[in-house]
Amino acid sequence: DTGVSQDPRHKITKRGQNVTFRCDPISEHNRLYWYRQTLGQGPEFLTYFQNEAQLEKSRLLSDRFSAERPKGSFSTLEIQRTEQGDSAMYLCASSSHRVYEQYFGPGTRLTVT
Amino acid sequence: DAKTTQPNSMESNEEEPVHLPCNHSTISGTDYIHWYRQLPSQGPEYVIHGLTSNVNNRMASLAIAEDRKSSTLILHRATLRDAAVYYCIPAFGGNKLVFGAGTILRVKS
Repeated sequence: DTGVSQDPRHKITKRGQNVTFRCDPISEHNRLYWYRQTLGQGPEFLTYFQNEAQLEKSRLLSDRFSAERPKGSFSTLEIQRTEQGDSAMYLCASSSHRVYEQYFGPGTRLTVT
Repeated sequence: DAKTTQPNSMESNEEEPVHLPCNHSTISGTDYIHWYRQLPSQGPEYVIHGLTSNVNNRMASLAIAEDRKSSTLILHRATLRDAAVYYCIPAFGGNKLVFGAGTILRVKS
């Protein structure tokens, strides 16, 4: 088991462009979470899936953000029309329904110029 | 979501025990107390969790007050690799984690 992986690790984009991030959870983990972290702050919850169902979305997740987990395995997070305020580290985590701990990936660092 | 209060920072000497406190006076009866840590340039890492009884694992011990309004994470022998931000998070199992600012732990050699 290689842990949670995220791709890309770094992304630089210009304001107004769309970006998509991918998260591959630990195999057989049925829960998948997305968080966002800005410099000097703790991570903020964005959304989470149980299998392919999106069960909760934060108010932070504006209409420009969309997340999917079509087959209950990997997930994608898309940001449309990026703004400079979207610059942050986007973290993905997964967990099993049998355990409480969430395993985090290394994150995707987004810089919007 | 329960509010938590943790010291902004703490310092420890290498090989000495560290006690990291957390107040969570508004915790609900079904919330577990989770501790995560985040090393520089990495995603958070699970440390330990508990409900009412004290808990031990290979990384740390968790002491929970009888009224559950506070808890203490204990690192028995701090090493340089333990330097990180430590987050105390009350949450129901499997639900989202609400991170506060955490405690920055510095370990001196």
